[in-house]
Amino acid sequence: ETGVTQSPTHLIKTRGQQVTLRCSSQSGHNTVSWYQQALGQGPQFIFQYYREEENGRGNFPPRFSGLQFPNYSSELNVNALELDDSALYLCASSLTGANVLTFGAGSRLTVL
Amino acid sequence: SQELEQSPQSLIVQEGKNLTINCTSSKTLYGLYWYKQKYGEGLIFLMMLQKGGEEKSHEKITAKLDEKKQQSSLHITASQPSHAGIYLCGADGAGGTSYGKLTFGQGTILTVHP
Repeated sequence: ETGVTQSPTHLIKTRGQQVTLRCSSQSGHNTVSWYQQALGQGPQFIFQYYREEENGRGNFPPRFSGLQFPNYSSELNVNALELDDSALYLCASSLTGANVLTFGAGSRLTVL
Repeated sequence: SQELEQSPQSLIVQEGKNLTINCTSSKTLYGLYWYKQKYGEGLIFLMMLQKGGEEKSHEKITAKLDEKKQQSSLHITASQPSHAGIYLCGADGAGGTSYGKLTFGQGTILTVHP
């Protein structure tokens, strides 16, 4: 079975730009959660998608948005990038009603 | 909101030594998850603890949940260089119903010298 794959692995943007990060969930997993991990910190929950709808959101502003597609893959979009958005963005998939997450390797975003 | 505090923040041990990492919650723990992360990579699931007093082991790693103390500990016996990495505890703060919306501690960086 394939795990969680994320793309791109690294990217550099400038302040004010927009970015889209992509995630393919593990085979059979229908729920996708996104986390932001700043350097030296633990991951912080951004939001979760189930059945193509947002199913819970952490303390992140509306410029962080997402999508889930019928094949359960997902996108994270961040508008009007700020320097503090520089972080490792982790996607995790799971089965509905399960708390054990399978994480991807992450997308490292640098905002200059 | 729930907060998790891990101690120590970093740990350097000689290969073969035992070590313990602690995770203390500001609220009641309903589910506690331990993950390991290689620097800059994704998290690998280690163990899940859901009941007070529960203890689980996998190879040389043992995790315990002390519900009264709102604390969990991760113990590694006879550490090896392969144990090096960042250990993260994550908690389900919604009585076991957060389903993937976890709160994580800040992580403990473990270095094992051969």
